[in-house]
Amino acid sequence: GNSVTQMEGPVTLSEEAFLTINCTYTATGYPSLFWYVQYPGEGLQLLLKATKADDKGSNKGFEATYRKETTSFHLEKGSVQVSDSAVYFCALSDRAGNQFYFGTGTSLTVIP
Amino acid sequence: DTAVSQTPKYLVTQMGNDKSIKCEQNLGHDTMYWYKQDSKKFLKIMFSYNNKELIINETVPNRFSPKSPDKAHLNLHINSLELGDSAVYFCASSQFQLGYTFGSGTRLTVV
Repeated sequence: GNSVTQMEGPVTLSEEAFLTINCTYTATGYPSLFWYVQYPGEGLQLLLKATKADDKGSNKGFEATYRKETTSFHLEKGSVQVSDSAVYFCALSDRAGNQFYFGTGTSLTVIP
Repeated sequence: DTAVSQTPKYLVTQMGNDKSIKCEQNLGHDTMYWYKQDSKKFLKIMFSYNNKELIINETVPNRFSPKSPDKAHLNLHINSLELGDSAVYFCASSQFQLGYTFGSGTRLTVV
């Protein structure tokens, strides 16, 4: 079956630190992979996505590369800001796109 | 224009009451969903409709009943509310593998 495993939080970093949030997946076929971000009190927003192996998704300084060989889609950012404090969800969609599978979320707090 | 809008944003009600949450999307997406997010931020899918047809019905109490009058609307009705129903409920829509668009959530508190 399909599933997503992401590193547990919470994660606390100082401003300008390097961020990595690990995400690995199990899937049949060729899923699409996503990172969503949820700011306090808000709904989830699509941060970036990749639809095939070796694709790199990027947005707002965040990047993630679809690695089929390691079944991973780790989220990285070179220099985090206080405004990046949020919960980050890794997700995959099956080939039909009818269902998404979310990880458990990783809470990030960036301190000045 | 809000892409996925759900109402109300906050709902406080007593145990045993019946309540509804409404959701509308103006994106032209074929598929809509209801998710429940608990206090630890864990997201659990409840229902999914594709073009008004129920395609995912996870193990939720049958006190929860979705209704999709057309493909732009997916409402959630909850009967006999219990304390454990307190959570944030998110509506979302999607089109093939383009990703979800979420509503801003309805925070339900049962007292």
